[in-house]
Amino acid sequence: ETGVTQTPRHLVMGMTNKKSLKCEQHLGHNAMYWYKQSAKKPLELMFVYNFKEQTENNSVPSRFSPECPNSSHLFLHLHTLQPEDSALYLCASSQDRGSGSYEQYFGPGTRLTVT
Amino acid sequence: SQKIEQNSEALNIQEGKTATLTCNYTNYSPAYLQWYRQDPGRGPVFLLLIRENEKEKRKERLKVTFDTTLKQSLFHITASQPADSATYLCALTGGGADGLTFGKGTHLIIQP
Repeated sequence: ETGVTQTPRHLVMGMTNKKSLKCEQHLGHNAMYWYKQSAKKPLELMFVYNFKEQTENNSVPSRFSPECPNSSHLFLHLHTLQPEDSALYLCASSQDRGSGSYEQYFGPGTRLTVT
Repeated sequence: SQKIEQNSEALNIQEGKTATLTCNYTNYSPAYLQWYRQDPGRGPVFLLLIRENEKEKRKERLKVTFDTTLKQSLFHITASQPADSATYLCALTGGGADGLTFGKGTHLIIQP
């Protein structure tokens, strides 16, 4: 496998469910990111991890809980979501942190629908 | 407040012509600015990165300019092709952050 992979590609969940999104990068990068993309809105940064440590949390509600067990894997745990959380969730990685000095490689995204 | 503005309306260009897309930003002082391409239902793909001390960057048919005085970047595709049709995103960071802040993107349509 190459690049950044995400599973599942599509997810439908009720507001009381608990689910997790998984991201894996095969690029040897040290930094990983979660973004949310809603219809008609720009990509929104959610979390940044560098060497497994969270370095940025962009005021994300606690119903979204990230986990980064190692530099290659990133999870987003979801619980008691709201319908407005329906969106495309994108994972990305970059060689290192660097205030925008490194390009980011994105996965294909998970299309989440909350019913 | 901080803003990144791109033409939100679709841009229609005839095949073979040069497409020019605009990215304006407010209340940022980015050291770097990036451009990405996004196709429907897929993640963005990195195209070009330009540094604040670079006026222009080229890659094949793509050219990016960065004017820190005007707070603007222009993205050009020369000899455009229908396969260039996609949404193009401008992105930068602010305040020492590492995550990117994106504009809404410009939907480019190259007509044969």
